[in-house]
Amino acid sequence: AQKITQTQPGMFVQEKEAVTLDCTYDTSDPSYGLFWYKQPSSGEMIFLIYQGSYDQQNATEGRYSLNFQKARKSANLVISASQLGDSAMYFCAMREAPVNQGGKLIFGQGTELSVKP
Amino acid sequence: NAGVTQTPKFQVLKTGQSMTLQCAQDMNHEYMSWYRQDPGMGLRLIHYSVGAGITDQGEVPNGYNVSRSTTEDFPLRLLSAAPSQTSVYFCASSRLLVGELFFGEGSRLTVL
Repeated sequence: AQKITQTQPGMFVQEKEAVTLDCTYDTSDPSYGLFWYKQPSSGEMIFLIYQGSYDQQNATEGRYSLNFQKARKSANLVISASQLGDSAMYFCAMREAPVNQGGKLIFGQGTELSVKP
Repeated sequence: NAGVTQTPKFQVLKTGQSMTLQCAQDMNHEYMSWYRQDPGMGLRLIHYSVGAGITDQGEVPNGYNVSRSTTEDFPLRLLSAAPSQTSVYFCASSRLLVGELFFGEGSRLTVL
């Protein structure tokens, strides 16, 4: 069963505007972590932001924030004031923490964001 | 400041050939993993390891072998390459159970 779902294969946003990339997840483990990674056209994977399942507040890192709605099992990434350099593929990922599995991390299918000048 | 190092970056194989993708990390991470990335499929977990001598299968393990004899190294072996294994492969490591993954630069493999 798909555990991480990103329903937006592609998104467009105007430069300087905010954009929300959707991510829903499924887990029965009470302890888990949610991540967002950016993959520019050069191919490297860049860590953006992390949210723990027990964190009370939404995570923020500069222009990135994670809108964490635990009851809805959603972890949307919000990018404020989009820049041309934000054009990339964005992946949502989840890490469950059952001790016998070591916390393997699985990814969604990604959302390709294009920022228009 | 090496982080996670993957070699080779590019490789072309013929069907049936074998090869090993090397992965080394210098951060003393217990957790290491291999992913493959195909268009429209995201990153899919092939194998992972939670420490030296311990490995386990991920989502798409068929056709691949791994071993973990040291904390630093986690090679991925293709015993008999198939065109379906044409992909970009990423090695990644982290502390055990928590924290973000640190990725290598990726290895682009083409099987003819």
